[in-house]
Amino acid sequence: EVQLVESGGGLVQPGGSLRLSCVASGITFSKTMMSWVRQSPGRGLEWVSGISDSGGSTYYADSVKGRFTISRDNSKNTLDLQMNSLRAEDTAIYYCAGGGFNSGPDYWGQGTRVTVSS
Amino acid sequence: DVVMTQSPLSLPVTLGQPASISCRSSQSLVHSNGNTYLNWFQQRPGQSPRRLIYRVSNRDSGVPDRFSGSGSGTDFTLQISRVEAEDVGVYYCMQGTHWPFTFGPGTKVDIK
Repeated sequence: EVQLVESGGGLVQPGGSLRLSCVASGITFSKTMMSWVRQSPGRGLEWVSGISDSGGSTYYADSVKGRFTISRDNSKNTLDLQMNSLRAEDTAIYYCAGGGFNSGPDYWGQGTRVTVSS
Repeated sequence: DVVMTQSPLSLPVTLGQPASISCRSSQSLVHSNGNTYLNWFQQRPGQSPRRLIYRVSNRDSGVPDRFSGSGSGTDFTLQISRVEAEDVGVYYCMQGTHWPFTFGPGTKVDIK
């Protein structure tokens, strides 16, 4: 059974930082494209960032470029998202998602909630 | 960015009756490699999204055959041949041809 388990969400002030993590099991992680997708009432579903199986290629939405950094550790089956200079509009549930890049994720985690507020 | 629109945004249906959701993109979704990356997701209440259909018409493993996808270019459709109670939720189309990949606003399906 495939499991993607996120952690690291919480309440942070505008301008602050947060690091999200995702641990994967049940998949050959080192051969799986991984992404972060967020969901908020105001912006709906939004693909935030993606990273190739080797980590050699990364992709970012314009709304987070320069502020967020995606990374992975294939030896530990982990995916991270470092989020800096957070804004109120970054408030959302962040999903770790795996596989099927152009065809959309095959697998989704349960999500971790990020709230940016003073 | 490619804008995805869906209609209707709300779809009350009768159990056992068919349902149809339309999705349109602001640009053609034909990739340079010849594939069309239009995908459909279902999100049941309180759950994470789940992919139902990829590349227009390919059903994912475990997805009932009452779900089908069709379309080309910029116009696509998700059809449910006979709605069941477990189909209640929000359905999203998503394009994976042009980065950043984008989702439609969602169509909420519920039972009349």
